Amino acid sequence: QQQVKQSPQSLIVQKGGIPIINCAYENTAFDYFPWYQQFPGKGPALLIAIRPDVSEKKEGRFTISFNKSAKQFSLHIMDSQPGDSATYFCAATLSGNTPLVFGKGTRLSVIA
Amino acid sequence: EAGVAQSPRYKIIEKRQSVAFWCNPISGHATLYWYQQILGQGPKLLIQFQNNGVVDDSQLPKDRFSAERLKGVDSTLKIQPAKLEDSAVYLCASSGGTALNEKLFFGSGTQLSVL
Repeated sequence: QQQVKQSPQSLIVQKGGIPIINCAYENTAFDYFPWYQQFPGKGPALLIAIRPDVSEKKEGRFTISFNKSAKQFSLHIMDSQPGDSATYFCAATLSGNTPLVFGKGTRLSVIA
Repeated sequence: EAGVAQSPRYKIIEKRQSVAFWCNPISGHATLYWYQQILGQGPKLLIQFQNNGVVDDSQLPKDRFSAERLKGVDSTLKIQPAKLEDSAVYLCASSGGTALNEKLFFGSGTQLSVL
């Protein structure tokens, strides 16, 4: 049972473009939605996270948009750079001690 | 601050052999997770420890996988006997603070190839 569906599977954008990665969740009880960034040979690292009481959160060039009624959230990367090339995972959970449920990941390539 | 340490970095074994992975979490982190990441997929939780107790092992294939966290610090994950489908990266993560699942720190993982 996949509780978090992520798309697209891969994405190629030019430097300066704005890649958008989408996720949809099923469990309406989820209240914490992080994005993790993973470089080859490394473990995932927390990038940015949002709670359902806000519709948007920005941290530097990274923005999460959240649509509670549609049970969807997305990651936007402004002014993308080659160094942003990585695999991005969305996740969802209940705040507290419930394990994160991860999407399948999006491999992003930013070409100069 | 030292990160999550895992060893070995790579392991190649034949099917039906046994293998063990080791993890040392960030100092002071009470919660430790083992995740399995199959190529092209997101991490899947195998087991979660809170100190030295198991919180969630519902997705651990207990007929072949086992894990322990003696003394509530480092942890070992074992597979015996290994199957071809166990080929994956095994990630260890830890977290601390009041909202235990809100910031996980991952190690670099152990890449297992079962031939």
